[in-house]
Amino acid sequence: SQQGEEDPQALSIQEGENATMNCSYKTSINNLQWYRQNSGRGLVHLILIRSNEREKHSGRLRVTLDTSKKSSSLLITASRAADTASYFCATRTRGSSNTGKLIFGQGTTLQVKP
Amino acid sequence: EAQVTQNPRYLITVTGKKLTVTCSQNMNHEYMSWYRQDPGLGLRQIYYSMNVEVTDKGDVPEGYKVSRKEKRNFPLILESPSPNQTSLYFCASSLSVGPNQPQHFGDGTRLSIL
Repeated sequence: SQQGEEDPQALSIQEGENATMNCSYKTSINNLQWYRQNSGRGLVHLILIRSNEREKHSGRLRVTLDTSKKSSSLLITASRAADTASYFCATRTRGSSNTGKLIFGQGTTLQVKP
Repeated sequence: EAQVTQNPRYLITVTGKKLTVTCSQNMNHEYMSWYRQDPGLGLRQIYYSMNVEVTDKGDVPEGYKVSRKEKRNFPLILESPSPNQTSLYFCASSLSVGPNQPQHFGDGTRLSIL
């Protein structure tokens, strides 16, 4: 079974508002990563947070990680229409050191209305 | 431009007709991997390769073959495609299998097996 569960499945907001997506996972991880997928395109790496980190920022993105609750959140501030995409969390578990496998959540579809 | 290139992007074919999806990366990455993306199941790893001539099965390898004769190329081969292999396929690469390496994805290949 897949590791990650994401919430909400879909989110619709107005341009300029903040968007928050949540991800839960099941087993111990090395890190958690967030990817964006635009319609008809591949996944683009956004940010990686290691298991010993609690918060990380990159531009308008803020990621938090709570390993005690096995959960993470992605906050996009001051959203733009160009942020419309699906967002996936993906984990590298401790058992993936030799496989490189990413375990993906189901994704959150974000629509930002102009 | 650093990229992972997949071909073809779209293919409709019939059961049993052998096909190959090519994947090439220009970043001198050691690690490459194939995923399939299905509604409700998310992305699942098919095969991966740690380096030239080193490949191994992921979670859903049945019905697929791969090869890694050169560092830049990692083709996915369906010897006798069946309808249950209808899916969206992604090739990914990273500098190494190390846990904190982000993965770069191609734009995907949508396969329909009739």
